[in-house]
Parts: sequence; C-alpha cells; structure tokens
Amino acid sequence: EAQVTQNPRYLITVTGKKLTVTCSQNMNHEYMSWYRQDPGLGLRQIYYSMNVEVTDKGDVPEGYKVSRKEKRNFPLILESPSPNQTSLYFCASSSLAGGSYNEQFFGPGTRLTVL
Amino acid sequence: RKEVEQDPGPFNVPEGATVAFNCTYSNSASQSFFWYRQDCRKEPKLLMSVYSSGNEDGRFTAQLNRASQYISLLIRDSKLSDSATYLCVVRQNTGFQKLVFGTGTRLLVSP
Repeated sequence: EAQVTQNPRYLITVTGKKLTVTCSQNMNHEYMSWYRQDPGLGLRQIYYSMNVEVTDKGDVPEGYKVSRKEKRNFPLILESPSPNQTSLYFCASSSLAGGSYNEQFFGPGTRLTVL
Repeated sequence: RKEVEQDPGPFNVPEGATVAFNCTYSNSASQSFFWYRQDCRKEPKLLMSVYSSGNEDGRFTAQLNRASQYISLLIRDSKLSDSATYLCVVRQNTGFQKLVFGTGTRLLVSP
C-alpha cells in the first residue's frame, strides 16, 4: 500500500530534550516536506527536500533541522524543543514528474506537546 | 494580508443541501490550485485540483477566477460524510512544489 508513515504519532516531552520525528514514504517520491498545523494559522511549511541531500527552509524553519540521506526517509529533528513547538506535524511527499498538478500525500500526523 | 484566505465557518447545512465555499489568494502569479479535505485530527487528502476552465467530480464542482483571484468549491446533495474541513491550497510560481494552505472552512452536514 502506497503510504507516508510517521513516528511517533503522539509525543509529550519537556523543554530542551532533543527529539526526532521520523517520516518514510514507499512511493519513490523525490519531494518531501514537513508542515506544522496550528489553530487559526493553517498548515505552514517547515522544511522541504527536492531529492537526496537537497533540503531547504520553508516558512517556519527556526528550531528545526532535517536531513535527507535516503530517498524514502526525511526525519525532523528538534534539537532543543520549546513549548511554542507544541503542534500537529505532518510529513508529505510527492512526485516531481508529470507537471504541476501532482498530489501531495500526507502522513497521519504527529501530535507533539512540549512542556 | 494572508496569502490564502477562507471563511472558517462552520457552515451548518442539512443533508441534501447545496453549499459553496470561496477562497481568495493574493499572489497573482500563483500557478495551480487545489481543494484538500481534512477530517478531524487526520491528515489532509486531495479532493480535487482546480483547472482554469472549471471541473466537476461527481457532486463536487470547482471553479477558478484568475481575474478576481478566487477559487470556489460547490458541493451538491450534501451527505453526512461530507462533514469535514475543506482546505484551499495554492501552488506558488516559484519553480518548485511550494504549497500555501488556507486555514480551512469547516462544514457540518446534519440529518
């Protein structure tokens, strides 16, 4: 089954404790992206990657890191989480072939609470 | 001004009703347009792309007005299962797949 998986789905942590949220896709997509969703603000892009070893900042990259060492994986790293990073996080992927109407497939989301 | 604006709703409609949502975007160079559906606490899923000439998929019709910079979604014969949040999404003309999301319009269909 074609899918994007994220782990963990739920996480409660404390300020300053490094954490990683994993994202994996099995569709051989070149493009992967991380978003956070907050009430009243919608989905905002954190980082994206056009292919292996190619990453770039989105609209809200502060406090986050990513890596793309393999095509299928795109982990999101919070080196020193703070309470303002409490949010619902989504990973997404899509193919870059076929023009501008390619669908982005989203993972099930990770609900993060930073105390 | 937000890049993509939507009325948050909620729109409360009875089963069988026709309901329409509008969305406005500020960047006139925007390239592609979509409607995504998001159920409560779930991931967004593509409902339909919006083409320049307008397009229909069953009970759903999407329209694009580039001159006025708005997109619309019309749902006919609403079902209980249509209850969800509908996200207006715009792809910027930046040469890569950056999507800008509206905050969504919530629809509640009641028996």
